[in-house]
Amino acid sequence: RKEVEQDPGPFNVPEGATVAFNCTYSNSASQSFFWYRQDCRKEPKLLMSVYSSGNEDGRFTAQLNRASQYISLLIRDSKLSDSATYLCVVFPGGSYIPTFGRGTSLIVHP
Amino acid sequence: GAVVSQHPSWVICKSGTSVKIECRSLDFQATTMFWYRQFPKQSLMLMATSNEGSKATYEQGVEKDKFLINHASLTLSTLTVTSAHPEDSSFYICSAPGQGGGNTIYFGEGSWLTVV
Repeated sequence: RKEVEQDPGPFNVPEGATVAFNCTYSNSASQSFFWYRQDCRKEPKLLMSVYSSGNEDGRFTAQLNRASQYISLLIRDSKLSDSATYLCVVFPGGSYIPTFGRGTSLIVHP
Repeated sequence: GAVVSQHPSWVICKSGTSVKIECRSLDFQATTMFWYRQFPKQSLMLMATSNEGSKATYEQGVEKDKFLINHASLTLSTLTVTSAHPEDSSFYICSAPGQGGGNTIYFGEGSWLTVV
């Protein structure tokens, strides 16, 4: 089993739709979780951290489920500009070296 | 603005030649930097951890004699792809941990290498 797994997609949704991605992790001692956004041929950029209590930033909501060992990202009212690859990033417990998921591709169409 | 600068952004080289990619931390010192490789539609794969003033730590399966890493100063790490072959064509990206904890990751802009 891979350390961090994501459905590669692509998720093809119309503008205005709500879309959700999940990311599972295998190391139960993992401490820190993040969602990054990567545009084509660009470096990843931090989208948001994922806190145990869940957190929201505008149209984006991130959740952590420690019991089932997954994190989720919900995007409401999708915009064309949301089209990108969304990377799940997990820091194993006690490590400062992150593990990346392969990313989930989102395509928002008019 | 960028806190980690990577250069060059794009490079095309002939098979058998060597290519150097630089990664600089701006306005902060990075004793550790990470080098990743990313093939199309794949995740970032950690190649090695670059340590200032000491040898890099390579991940399993990464040839240290082919991918030379030098971290001679607190603000500069370099990755040299030696005797490049077409299968080395990929997106190479460096990162540095942020200061003050919190698991912040500062990425360089990445370098696209094409070996012809």
